[in-house]
Amino acid sequence: GESVGLHLPTLSVQEGDNSIINCAYSNSASDYFIWYKQESGKGPQFIIDIRSNMDKRQGQRVTVLLNKTVKHLSLQIAATQPGDSAVYFCAEIRSTGGGNKLTFGTGTQLKVEL
Amino acid sequence: DGGITQSPKYLFRKEGQNVTLSCEQNLNHDAMYWYRQDPGQGLRLIYYSQIVNDFQKGDIAEGYSVSREKKESFPLTVTSAQKNPTAFYLCASSGITRDRAMGANVLTFGAGSRLTVL
Repeated sequence: GESVGLHLPTLSVQEGDNSIINCAYSNSASDYFIWYKQESGKGPQFIIDIRSNMDKRQGQRVTVLLNKTVKHLSLQIAATQPGDSAVYFCAEIRSTGGGNKLTFGTGTQLKVEL
Repeated sequence: DGGITQSPKYLFRKEGQNVTLSCEQNLNHDAMYWYRQDPGQGLRLIYYSQIVNDFQKGDIAEGYSVSREKKESFPLTVTSAQKNPTAFYLCASSGITRDRAMGANVLTFGAGSRLTVL
């Protein structure tokens, strides 16, 4: 399944299916992006990151794709498991005169159905 | 185990009271941050500190205060001037990663503190 946007949509997938979570970032000058996973009542956890000079980066069961032309970032989770249920949000980082500025998206709620 | 410890996990406050949220890290990170999280919204930066004895206002600093007397500690005080303090508060830290190509901006978060005003 897929989701779009920076609101807090809900993506429901069957266990074992692949999940695609999308993020539209705002600033074309952003040069670094991070995906975080946040389980209910806990702090966010780092999943994977990617620099703007890359189109794709793979981790264990996760892949991040970056399309700078349309300012779009996606997180693909292979063989989704119940433990993947959480809110996922992206963060974009850009360099400014005063240091690096991080902007977080609002997140997507992923629900894994058995 | 290295990490960030926030306390208390749950806190209740009466209107007009100041409360202080604790954040301690043993990651030897230079930078520390406080974010506020409200339902359906992205994380919003309250204050950050890049070095001991120095801190900067974030996007929503009004009604909050911080101190950074030690590298390991970055407490946040929610004052009575904060008109809508009920929220989930997240502390984070960052440092230079081994892989310099990926930058020093990967934040490590604590488990959060939920503040409720009665």
